[in-house]
Amino acid sequence: EVQLVESGGGLVQPGGSLRLSCAASGFRFSSFWMHWVRQSPGKGLEWVSLIYTGGTTTLYADSVKGRFTISRDNAKNTLYLQMNSLRAEDTAVYYCARSGGGTDSGFDSWGPGTLVRVSS
Amino acid sequence: QSVLTQPPSASGTPGQRVTISCSGSSSNIGSHIVNWYQQIPGTAPKLLIYTNDKRPSGVPDRFSGSKSGTSASLAISGLQSEDESDYYCAAWDDSLNGPVFGGGTRLTVL
Repeated sequence: EVQLVESGGGLVQPGGSLRLSCAASGFRFSSFWMHWVRQSPGKGLEWVSLIYTGGTTTLYADSVKGRFTISRDNAKNTLYLQMNSLRAEDTAVYYCARSGGGTDSGFDSWGPGTLVRVSS
Repeated sequence: QSVLTQPPSASGTPGQRVTISCSGSSSNIGSHIVNWYQQIPGTAPKLLIYTNDKRPSGVPDRFSGSKSGTSASLAISGLQSEDESDYYCAAWDDSLNGPVFGGGTRLTVL
C-alpha cells in the first residue's frame, strides 16, 4: 500500500525556518516525481514545489522561490522541504504528493498533511 | 486569484446530474491534460479524474470528465449525499512552469 506521511510542522515566528519531511513507503520512491502542495486555512490548493526522480531538477512556485528548498533522499525514501524566511502567508497545511513523472501526470497519492503556523 | 477558474459553489438534489466547469488558457488546459481532485474538508485530496476523462480504480463511473479547448468539466450523475465535497481541477502551466489548480468548487447535496 502506498503511504506518504509528513512531519515537521508546527508554530514558528515570522522570519524563522522549518524543515518538513515526508516518509514514503509501499512503492519505488526513486521512480516518482514528488511535490509539495499547500492549503491555507479555508482556501484552495496551491502547488509549492516539485523534484524530479534523481533530485537534480527542482521547480518552485513564485511565492516561495528563493526561500524554500525541496530535496529528496532516495536511499531513505524521504522527501524534504526546507522553509526559510517564513511569512504569515505561508501558514497552511502542507501535503506531499507523488506523480508518475511528466508534466501531465496527476497527483495520485497524497499524505495526510502537516500544519505549519507562522505567527508571533 | 487562481489561474484556473471554477465556480465557488454548486448544488443538486440526490439523483440529479451536476457539472462543474474549469476554465483556463492556452498555456495550461489548452496545451495539457486536466486532472480533477475531490477533497472532503479536513482530509487530503484524492485523485478523481486523470488525463481529462479517466477514472482511477475505485472511482464510481458516476464521475466523468471532459475537455474542450481551454476548458474542462467534471460531471457527477446520480448525485449522492457522500459526493458533498470540494472539487479542484488542475493542469500544468507552461508559462508558470508548474502545475496550477482551480480555486475549488464546494458541492452541496440538498
